[in-house]
Amino acid sequence: QSALTQPASVSGSPGQSITISCTGTSSDVGSSNLVSWYQQHPGKAPRLMIYEGSKRPSGVSNRFSGSKSGNTASLTISGLQAEDEADYYCCSYAGPNTYVVFGGGTKLTVL
Amino acid sequence: QVQLQESGPGLVKPSETLSLTCTVSGDSVSSYYWSWIRQPAGKGLEWIGRIYSRETTNYNPSLKSRVTMSVDTSKNQFSLKLSSVTAADTAVYYCARSTPAADFDSWGQGTLVTVSS
Repeated sequence: QSALTQPASVSGSPGQSITISCTGTSSDVGSSNLVSWYQQHPGKAPRLMIYEGSKRPSGVSNRFSGSKSGNTASLTISGLQAEDEADYYCCSYAGPNTYVVFGGGTKLTVL
Repeated sequence: QVQLQESGPGLVKPSETLSLTCTVSGDSVSSYYWSWIRQPAGKGLEWIGRIYSRETTNYNPSLKSRVTMSVDTSKNQFSLKLSSVTAADTAVYYCARSTPAADFDSWGQGTLVTVSS
């Protein structure tokens, strides 16, 4: 059982927007803005898409955005494209004893 | 641009020690934080631990009793040892770079380790 809770799957049509939630506790997601999001295509290594809650690394499309409210972080993908179909994982810094926790992952299907 | 490459045996016998090495190019292992992360087939990511400042380590509490990480600055490598392995340790193992905030911005391609007799 993962420390952070994500929906197992979400889907959307091309051009639509979807949001993936990531629920933790006051010890991890709720304690800071240190939440990151990763995209993983089959057989590939994960790729950093969002860091520090809402920042995008160079090269990541501005269709990807991150936010947080309380103990829940969210990843929104707007203008869905076929290549967005992948697994998405959230990750949070969890303090000086647990350090790092991941969500269980969400499979995004582009219909 | 930083590149990471995992290496090590793809098959380990139960009760033995899994040993992997990550070779880093384009950056120094003396800077940043360096982690190991694993992913069983069809399942999610699990952080194993990290090393920074050459010798400071943080480990996943659930694996702490079996994990040892180290750095070889002369080869610009860092390593993972996981003892007393069982079939549950079968996974793709990734090495990755991060800041203290646990945002993993560079990853190796991953290496599959199977625990079987």
